[in-house]
Amino acid sequence: NAGVTQTPKFRVLKTGQSMTLLCAQDMNHEYMYWYRQDPGMGLRLIHYSVGEGTTAKGEVPDGYNVSRLKKQNFLLGLESAAPSQTSVYFCASSTGRTQNTEAFFGQGTRLTVV
Amino acid sequence: GQSLEQPSEVTAVEGAIVQINCTYQTSGFYGLSWYQQHDGGAPTFLSYNALDGLEETGRFSSFLSRSDSYGYLLLQELQMKDSASYFCAVQNSGGYQKVTFGTGTKLQVIP
Repeated sequence: NAGVTQTPKFRVLKTGQSMTLLCAQDMNHEYMYWYRQDPGMGLRLIHYSVGEGTTAKGEVPDGYNVSRLKKQNFLLGLESAAPSQTSVYFCASSTGRTQNTEAFFGQGTRLTVV
Repeated sequence: GQSLEQPSEVTAVEGAIVQINCTYQTSGFYGLSWYQQHDGGAPTFLSYNALDGLEETGRFSSFLSRSDSYGYLLLQELQMKDSASYFCAVQNSGGYQKVTFGTGTKLQVIP
């Protein structure tokens, strides 16, 4: 059982380049999330999805786009990378049931924009 | 909007007990969770409280007071491996039950 898998684990981008981060989960979870983590800032929600074909903005959505074409996959896109997007990105998934809020996280993608 | 407050750093001695507090403000509330994250690792789930009171899981316990918008994580018999960051997170009812995290408390366990 792989849980939540993020690809890639590390990446260095030049300012203005684009890239897509892939998140895949094999737990049949309805909810998926993208967070970024910066020193002293905790985990900030970028975008999330409550089911296949749906997406919604979180706290810090600017500069990012997402897609959930298949239930098991949640893609995060950076169209024109900026140094301010240097961060560790975590994908997570959960059932979305009110009785169970446990979120399962991927191992993170460490992105540096130079 | 939502906000969560927790101390940024806590230091405790191996074998001792430590309490990490979390206060929150949210429009609509379903429950409070706690996560542990070791340096360079992913957050992992520790506990979830939807109702007032104490939930115990081994050496870790978590408490919630909905009327005070307050919770805490209690770690007993501290071990060196407990050195990590601990995040509280609220599950809110504003449309969708998404999870919002606090900024985290870095716990250092010393010999």
